Amino acid sequence: ETGVTQTPRHLVMGMTNKKSLKCEQHLGHNAMYWYKQSAKKPLELMFVYSLEERVENNSVPSRFSPECPNSSHLFLHLHTLQPEDSALYLCASSQEAGLAYEQYFGPGTRLTVT
Amino acid sequence: AQSVTQLDSHVSVSEGTPVLLRCNYSSSYSPSLFWYVQHPNKGLQLLLKYTSAATLVKGINGFEAEFKKSETSFHLTKPSAHMSDAAEYFCVVTKAAGNKLTFGGGTRVLVKP
Repeated sequence: ETGVTQTPRHLVMGMTNKKSLKCEQHLGHNAMYWYKQSAKKPLELMFVYSLEERVENNSVPSRFSPECPNSSHLFLHLHTLQPEDSALYLCASSQEAGLAYEQYFGPGTRLTVT
Repeated sequence: AQSVTQLDSHVSVSEGTPVLLRCNYSSSYSPSLFWYVQHPNKGLQLLLKYTSAATLVKGINGFEAEFKKSETSFHLTKPSAHMSDAAEYFCVVTKAAGNKLTFGGGTRVLVKP
């Protein structure tokens, strides 16, 4: 198992619910990432945080709201989602932001929107 | 712009035989290239990466990949498949600087006993 944990591992929510995904890294890294992995589509980068500041937002709808309270924790707050948002949401971290640094991935949260 | 195409969505091999996963990329600048593996219910793990050093890159678990600029390819190989190699493999391209990884669609590998 990697040093990146994600909770919950599975989540089922209705379109009117509000929920949050949590990611924690125990590697002392300064950068964290959210990715979306949908069936039959390539993995998509959603957000990048470096030292708790958002450095990239890849045109993600506002119903997804990230939060990085410190360099070890990353949240993804969800509200009024659509069925097409059902996917595996992966968190990753790296020593610093930037591709010279290997990204370490968590196991993901399988989200189903009903 | 950059893109990456994995030519096979599924590959089936027998245990002990070679594995070849094909990847072609498109990039308007010198790319960095990666291969990641994802086992069921697990996150992605980096197998190897190319960042403009040696064109033949050796990774973990006996995998290697060769960067061929003339063919815009970065195929992944392993001489002898093991049952534990059954997983999904992703080819990834990016520019040398920046944060954005562009993933291919993935190749699912089945290893038969």
